[in-house]
Amino acid sequence: QVQLVQSGAEVKKPGASVKVSCKASGYTFTSYDINWVRQATGQGLEWMGWMNPNSGNTGYAQKFQGRVTMTRNTSISTAYMELSSLTSEDTAVYYCVRGVWGQGTTVTVSS
Amino acid sequence: DIVMTQTPLSLSVTPGQPASISCKSSQSLLYSDGKTYLYWYLQKPGQPPQLLIYEVSNRFSGVPDRFSGSGSGTDFTLKISRVEAEDVGVYYCMQSIQVPWTFGQGTKVETK
Repeated sequence: QVQLVQSGAEVKKPGASVKVSCKASGYTFTSYDINWVRQATGQGLEWMGWMNPNSGNTGYAQKFQGRVTMTRNTSISTAYMELSSLTSEDTAVYYCVRGVWGQGTTVTVSS
Repeated sequence: DIVMTQTPLSLSVTPGQPASISCKSSQSLLYSDGKTYLYWYLQKPGQPPQLLIYEVSNRFSGVPDRFSGSGSGTDFTLKISRVEAEDVGVYYCMQSIQVPWTFGQGTKVETK
């Protein structure tokens, strides 16, 4: 079955960057886009962008343009989302999504 | 961006009774390929959202048939024919016809 397994929780200082991984299994990794969505505690869902694992093409929400980079390593069926210049507003659970959702990665930004 | 508006925002339902959630989009979700890109998710406490319904009315694998989706264009509804205790959580509608994907505010369903 399709499964997305994400990397573990991260604690970062303001101004730092974080890179979250998402390992896919149960399907051909390069055949489907992967999207990233985040959710601050007690809040709704916010789409960040998409990546085509075959071509590497990406599209980002305007809010994150210039701060987010989505990449992949097809040899290990893994997608990555890197967010830079972190502030406390970026404290959230980050999900990779391809129909099913990864388990989520909690990113805490605190001095 | 397409705005997704859900009503109600909370629902308290007696187990065994039906429940209904409305979702309205600010633009039509019907694409030129004939598909309507409206999805329903349930997020149980402490878990990621799980897909219930895709393209308005198609139940995802393993989803009980008490869940059904309907609608067209800009107006959509999720119905639970008989709510069970395991159905508690927050329900979200989502559109993916256009980036950015956007979600409804969520409807919190609890049982009495």
